[in-house]
Amino acid sequence: AQSVTQPDIHITVSEGASLELRCNYSYGATPYLFWYVQSPGQGLQLLLKYFSGDTLVQGIKGFEAEFKRSQSSFNLRKPSVHWSDAAEYFCAVGAGNDMRFGAGTRLTVKP
Amino acid sequence: DVKVTQSSRYLVKRTGEKVFLECVQDMDHENMFWYRQDPGLGLRLIYFSYDVKMKEKGDIPEGYSVSREKKERFSLILESASTNQTSMYLCASSSPGGEKGYTFGSGTRLTVV
Repeated sequence: AQSVTQPDIHITVSEGASLELRCNYSYGATPYLFWYVQSPGQGLQLLLKYFSGDTLVQGIKGFEAEFKRSQSSFNLRKPSVHWSDAAEYFCAVGAGNDMRFGAGTRLTVKP
Repeated sequence: DVKVTQSSRYLVKRTGEKVFLECVQDMDHENMFWYRQDPGLGLRLIYFSYDVKMKEKGDIPEGYSVSREKKERFSLILESASTNQTSMYLCASSSPGGEKGYTFGSGTRLTVV
């Protein structure tokens, strides 16, 4: 069965520190992979996506993600976190009408 | 700027009321979706539509229905609202393949009292 796991419910990092949010998935075929960000009280905004090609993809707001087929992972990274990055982050996997979302990781940024 | 617009940001309704949540997209997308979002549960799909007048049940359709009379508009209906339907409701749209991801509305926070 298709599933997406974000192992970390909540992560706290200091401003300026690096960030890595984990995402593991189970899917029958090669899916599209996405990361979304949700600010409080808002909808989800697409950060980046991957389907094929270079396994390191760049997104908006300075984020990047790396697809590792052998580990069924698609982890999100940022070299230096800004206070405005505090939000909830969702990994999503699938295609067409069949899109599965992780439960989300809430990011807190310490001054 | 492409958009998915949800008509209400906040709604308070009474138990037993019939509730309509409206969603409009301006991207000519075939697919539209309704999700509910609850803390710790992520996004759960209620219904989706892949064409006008076509709909499919998602993971949690009980207590809900939908209507899609025009391509740009997808309505979620709570036939008789209950307190366990208090939640954040998110509408989204996408192209048929979903390769560009979903575009989400800002959400409607519904409270049923």
